[in-house]
Amino acid sequence: EPEVTQTPSHQVTQMGQEVILRCVPISNHLYFYWYRQILGQKVEFLVSFYNNEISEKSEIFDDQFSVERPDGSNFTLKIRSTKLEDSAMYFCASTSTELGNQPQHFGDGTRLSIL
Amino acid sequence: AQKVTQAQTEISVVEKEDVTLDCVYETRDTTYYLFWYKQPPSGELVFLIRRNSFDEQNEISGRYSWNFQKSTSSFNFTITASQVVDSAVYFCALREDSSYKLIFGSGTRLLVRP
Repeated sequence: EPEVTQTPSHQVTQMGQEVILRCVPISNHLYFYWYRQILGQKVEFLVSFYNNEISEKSEIFDDQFSVERPDGSNFTLKIRSTKLEDSAMYFCASTSTELGNQPQHFGDGTRLSIL
Repeated sequence: AQKVTQAQTEISVVEKEDVTLDCVYETRDTTYYLFWYKQPPSGELVFLIRRNSFDEQNEISGRYSWNFQKSTSSFNFTITASQVVDSAVYFCALREDSSYKLIFGSGTRLLVRP
């Protein structure tokens, strides 16, 4: 079964550094999403992306965050200047259409630790 | 405002017992979609089931069944004959037709003891 893959599985970064989290969505999917989960808490929506544009973003997704589809397969989340509170598990997801009944398929996540 | 509430923070059962996980949601949209996801100890999020707001029937899929009650805004999930491998955190999620985002509840940790 096709999968969303995320790399790296664990990223350790010094506070203030830039970090890029990478995702390869399912190959025929066109809609992409990032979520984060602070340890022990609920999963929170960050951003959705389609046709090289952000289609929706949350209040968490401020100017420190950006997303990009640099080529035909990758989808990245960049955090420009990391803070301690950015430590979390970051999940990428994808769907083939924008229809609401399509389940979002998640990758295994990247655990980001800010020191 | 949209919201998903999972009042049960943790449930512990003995293997082979049936267990029901509760979910209550709030939305102003008339069309919306409800999902259950499983997060095992390894951390990934696994899609289990979905429901459209306009589907009247409740369903069974293997050991999983769900009860959608629009009148009480509830979407409860039942595992029949639980197994140790069912131990995980279970998240209920809502997606409104007007939005791309999934709104997750805080999760219910299920422990199935042998």
